[in-house]
Amino acid sequence: ELKVEQNPLFLSMQEGKNYTIYCNYSTTSDRLYWYRQDPGKSLESLFVLLSNGAVKQEGRLMASLDTKARLSTLHITAAVHDLSATYFCAVDISPSGGGADGLTFGKGTHLIIQP
Amino acid sequence: SAVISQKPSRDICQRGTSLTIQCQVDSQVTMMFWYRQQPGQSLTLIATANQGSEATYESGFVIDKFPISRPNLTFSTLTVSNMSPEDSSIYLCSAQGANYGYTFGSGTRLTVV
Repeated sequence: ELKVEQNPLFLSMQEGKNYTIYCNYSTTSDRLYWYRQDPGKSLESLFVLLSNGAVKQEGRLMASLDTKARLSTLHITAAVHDLSATYFCAVDISPSGGGADGLTFGKGTHLIIQP
Repeated sequence: SAVISQKPSRDICQRGTSLTIQCQVDSQVTMMFWYRQQPGQSLTLIATANQGSEATYESGFVIDKFPISRPNLTFSTLTVSNMSPEDSSIYLCSAQGANYGYTFGSGTRLTVV
């Protein structure tokens, strides 16, 4: 059974600081997703990482994937209050080129960025 | 990427009743997925719906409780049957679009009283 572990689960930080959220998973996969969820809202796709060594950046967020270590990171640079949200990583173990099997989610990281 | 319209956005239901949630995708997709998000929790996959065949349910979810229809490549429904307060959750549908991305509907916030 695939397990996806995120840490930390709660993070309170000050604006301007840097921090990293970690996502470990237990089964071979080369497809890893990061989502943002604001309170009462649905999921917003942040990054889709599709291969070992993939690195993607959008604004103050950067995500990377190491499939050999089964680890993905979401790095926040110079945090701002607007980044406060819950961040989920999710893993897809569908065979490449085959039908989709859906995603297995981590528990989420509740991030609060204080001015 | 695919855009999914989900409704209702929220509902308050009496225990013992059923609620059907609808999702419409703006493009044809092979698979659609239904998730449950209990209060303050992560998302758990309920089932995968493939057009023209019965849905595939994850462990802990059964067809009698969560019947799913998938009549065509752009539409699916999830019914939450014989509801109890424990069914109070957010229910989300999802579809895989281009480039392996998964898009989510806006969610249905269900409260059972």
